[in-house]
Amino acid sequence: NAGVTQTPKFQVLKTGQSMTLQCAQDMNHNSMYWYRQDPGMGLRLIYYSASEGTTDKGEVPNGYNVSRLNKREFSLRLESAAPSQTSVYFCASSDLGTGYGYTFGSGTRLTVV
Amino acid sequence: SQQGEEDPQALSIQEGENATMNCSYKTSINNLQWYRQNSGRGLVHLILIRSNEREKHSGRLRVTLDTSKKSSSLLITASRAADTASYFCAASSGTYKYIFGTGTRLKVLA
Repeated sequence: NAGVTQTPKFQVLKTGQSMTLQCAQDMNHNSMYWYRQDPGMGLRLIYYSASEGTTDKGEVPNGYNVSRLNKREFSLRLESAAPSQTSVYFCASSDLGTGYGYTFGSGTRLTVV
Repeated sequence: SQQGEEDPQALSIQEGENATMNCSYKTSINNLQWYRQNSGRGLVHLILIRSNEREKHSGRLRVTLDTSKKSSSLLITASRAADTASYFCAASSGTYKYIFGTGTRLKVLA
């Protein structure tokens, strides 16, 4: 099925551990995004990649790094996880010229203890 | 800070009634989108309205945009239990970045 695939779906980390969240899209979209969603906060943009080879900071980039590996894949890395990074992480892709908006993955629920 | 702020935060209605949600934003925008999120799931795109448009329809959905008031509304007509979800607006002042609001939780009672 065409769409955005995120792995893993669930993850528990200890404070200080590192991990990479993977995201891949098969819709040939140019732009990809990472958001985090916290209760009562809505979605906040962490990083985005307007096109292959470019990445830019969003609202809350501290503690994260990203890699746009190719047109399909956009990964999010937590180098030293902190409890404040406990959240649900969503990857999205878009080709805004089509007017269809973002396509979201199903999310990764991350808990840092 | 949030670009979009939804109002109300929560809404409970009977099946068959109409549901109206409002979104206010802070700066001039190019586009505004509405999304639905079912519990524990990702967001699903509903409709995109551009800054030069005033109203758009999609099935039972009607979206309006008032750029002078920096606000948008989403109307769901003849609501169904399956419409129970959170609804988010997302506003963009550029080409690639959208900033999401905190959402309206809609509950449709059968």
